[in-house]
Amino acid sequence: NAGVTQTPKFQVLKTGQSMTLQCAQDMNHNSMYWYRQDPGMGLRLIYYSASEGTTDKGEVPNGYNVSRLNKREFSLRLESAAPSQTSVYFCASSDDRADEQFFGPGTRLTVL
Amino acid sequence: QKEVEQNSGPLSVPEGAIASLNCTYSDRVSQSFFWYRQYSGKSPELIMSIYSNGDKEDGRFTAQLNKASQYVSLLIRDSQPSDSATYLCAVNRYGYGGSQGNLIFGKGTKLSVKP
Repeated sequence: NAGVTQTPKFQVLKTGQSMTLQCAQDMNHNSMYWYRQDPGMGLRLIYYSASEGTTDKGEVPNGYNVSRLNKREFSLRLESAAPSQTSVYFCASSDDRADEQFFGPGTRLTVL
Repeated sequence: QKEVEQNSGPLSVPEGAIASLNCTYSDRVSQSFFWYRQYSGKSPELIMSIYSNGDKEDGRFTAQLNKASQYVSLLIRDSQPSDSATYLCAVNRYGYGGSQGNLIFGKGTKLSVKP
């Protein structure tokens, strides 16, 4: 039981490049989330998905898109990366019966 | 407007002492409260959940909730150097099983346990 997995662990992009961050969970959770964590800013929600086929914006969605591919997988796409998107990105999932969220190991993204 | 407030620390305690971490929240209707531990360079790890007023104990950890004062705390007894981490308080506005996407995190308190 791997829990929540994320790929890649590290990534360096140039301004304007695109990339997709992958997230998968094997806990049969309905809800999945993407956060970014920046020094002094704490964890901020980018997008979430309450169930397969649905997605909703969080606090900081600009510059990002998401896809809930199936119940297990939730991807985050940066279409044209900007230096302001340099951050650590965490995926999380939760069971609807309890709102405890469980986090993946994170992706450290640097945009030059 | 900040919704979940924590003292950023660092909070330094000697090994074996009790560490007390505090969190206040602004939304009176909040129903679910969580403590996460985050080691440097790692992801947040859920260590305690509390939903009703009073104390909840799990091993060396005790979470305390006072909804009237909008205050939640985490006590760590017999603190160990391995407890040195940043502790994040999180609050769900809409309560148990409530609307997803509404977990608000504080910025965390850095705890240092000195041998």
